[in-house]
Amino acid sequence: NAGVTQTPKFQVLKTGQSMTLQCAQDMNHNSMYWYRQDPGMGLRLIYYSASEGTTDKGEVPNGYNVSRLNKREFSLRLESAAPSQTSVYFCASSPTRNTGELFFGEGSRLTVL
Amino acid sequence: AQSVTQLGSHVSVSEGALVLLRCNYSSSVPPYLFWYVQYPNQGLQLLLKYTTGATLVKGINGFEAEFKKSETSFHLTKPSAHMSDAAEYFCAVSDPGSNFGNEKLTFGTGTRLTIIP
Repeated sequence: NAGVTQTPKFQVLKTGQSMTLQCAQDMNHNSMYWYRQDPGMGLRLIYYSASEGTTDKGEVPNGYNVSRLNKREFSLRLESAAPSQTSVYFCASSPTRNTGELFFGEGSRLTVL
Repeated sequence: AQSVTQLGSHVSVSEGALVLLRCNYSSSVPPYLFWYVQYPNQGLQLLLKYTTGATLVKGINGFEAEFKKSETSFHLTKPSAHMSDAAEYFCAVSDPGSNFGNEKLTFGTGTRLTIIP
């Protein structure tokens, strides 16, 4: 029972480089999310997808793009990485609307030099 | 907009002592309330949640929390701390006034709980 799987778990980038964080869930959930976690700031929502083909901005979307490829997969792309994007990124999914119960992946630690 | 305040970024308690982690929220509409726990190098997992009904909710691992509307609080407690409780705890609230209803959560900044042997 894999749940929410994120890849890669660790990545080091140079400023200006691009990369994509991959996320897949095998629980048949409709909603998927990308959060970033920074010390002393808790988790902040980057983007959200209520269903396949739809995405919405969260609290901190600047510098990121997302793609809901299908019901299982939700990717996060950094087109031109900046040191301010050094963070731990979490993907999460939710079974139905209005439950507030999120299932998280184990996180992807990104360092931008 | 919703906001969540967790008092104390670090809390230390002795093994066997009471655990009390504080959470206050701001909302003009009663939200859904959640506590999540994060163990080292892992993602967050749901500890307990309040939606409607009984204001005292029980979660996993002996934790419970009480919704107090008059105090806009949702403090997390456990009568007797265990070494395995050492983790970071996040309070979260839904945003019923947003387009996402109760689906989009706002998280607090977290409280790191240390258990002293």
